[in-house]
Amino acid sequence: QVQLVQSGAEVRKPGASVKISCKTSGYAFTNYFIHWVRQAPGQGLESLGMISPDGGSVSYSHKLQGRVTITQDTSTTTVFLEVSGLRSEDTALYYCTRGLINSYLSPFDYWGQGTLVTVSS
Amino acid sequence: EIVLTQSPATLSLSPGERATLSCRASQSLSSSRLAWYQQQRGQAPRLLIYYASTRATGIPDRFSGSESGTDFTLTITRLEPEDFAVYHCHQYATSPGTFGQGTRVEV
Repeated sequence: QVQLVQSGAEVRKPGASVKISCKTSGYAFTNYFIHWVRQAPGQGLESLGMISPDGGSVSYSHKLQGRVTITQDTSTTTVFLEVSGLRSEDTALYYCTRGLINSYLSPFDYWGQGTLVTVSS
Repeated sequence: EIVLTQSPATLSLSPGERATLSCRASQSLSSSRLAWYQQQRGQAPRLLIYYASTRATGIPDRFSGSESGTDFTLTITRLEPEDFAVYHCHQYATSPGTFGQGTRVEV
């Protein structure tokens, strides 16, 4: 079955960086885009960016442009999200999610369990 | 950026009643690229509807989606106990897409 398993919770100080992993399994990794979405406490969902199946195309939200990097390791079918220059407002639950359609314009059908990132001095 | 406005913020209903949730887009969505998700407390969202009216795999037919211009509606015909949750709309006509602020359906 399709699974997206994320790394564990992280605590960072303001200005630091964090790198979260998303291990995928149960499907053909090179056929689907992976997207990242976050949810601040008590808030709605926010798209952060996505990476194409071959890793050749990456796009990011304008809000986080320059502070976020999405990469992947095809050999381990794992996708990574790195956020630098962390601020208190980056405290959120970060999800990786698979695009249903093999396009950068897609709804999301499978989700990871979420990784809580807490930014606090 | 396309802004999605969901209403109401909270919907108070009883099991067996009909729920009607609204999502208005600030501009037209090409190819009706609008999805709905259900999120239970402490869980990841679950895809219900995409392309405005297509049910995702395994979603019961009491869930339906419709559109009229830039107005989108999620209807739950008869609420089951497990339907009380937060519902998010999501436009994927642009990359990255955007989400509404959510509607909580509560007892």
